Amino acid sequence: GNSVTQMEGPVTLSEEAFLTINCTYTATGYPSLFWYVQYPGEGLQLLLKATKADDKGSNKGFEATYRKETTSFHLEKGSVQVSDSAVYFCALYLGGGGNKLTFGTGTQLKVEL
Amino acid sequence: EPEVTQTPSHQVTQMGQEVILRCVPISNHLYFYWYRQILGQKVEFLVSFYNNEISEKSEIFDDQFSVERPDGSNFTLKIRSTKLEDSAMYFCASKITGVNTGELFFGEGSRLTVL
Repeated sequence: GNSVTQMEGPVTLSEEAFLTINCTYTATGYPSLFWYVQYPGEGLQLLLKATKADDKGSNKGFEATYRKETTSFHLEKGSVQVSDSAVYFCALYLGGGGNKLTFGTGTQLKVEL
Repeated sequence: EPEVTQTPSHQVTQMGQEVILRCVPISNHLYFYWYRQILGQKVEFLVSFYNNEISEKSEIFDDQFSVERPDGSNFTLKIRSTKLEDSAMYFCASKITGVNTGELFFGEGSRLTVL
């Protein structure tokens, strides 16, 4: 079946530190890949996406590259801010049927001054 | 900016009671979803709904669960007889139809606690 595995959190960083949150996937086809973010008290919202191999998604300083050879979609940011503190979810989408997303467990990021 | 809204934000109920979670999707969206997240676990797909019928459901979505779009704006999830293991955060989401994409718009979630 299809699945997403993320690194466990919480991840605690100092402001301006480099961030990597690992995500790997297993899929029966060629999925689109997503990172969703959930800020405290809010719903999940799309952060970035990549629809095919070697695509790079980027938004708000975050980046992730779709690596088919390693089935990975790691999230990176060069310099995190306190306002980046949130839970980050990696997800895949294969379309068809009910058009559903398959999520990972989420990784909580805490950024401290 | 249009958003998906969910009520209640938190509900506490006794085991065996019926619970209805409500969602108002974005007005021009036609695909609707329920997901749930048990504390510390994955966000799990429950059901998708399109054109007034269920288009897909997971193994979790057994006979105790039902969904309805009663009035053209609300989208509800009913749990007929709650169990302890139904305690979770329930997320509603919607999507514009005709776009083959995983870009869903989520609500803030309804936390269900079953005692």
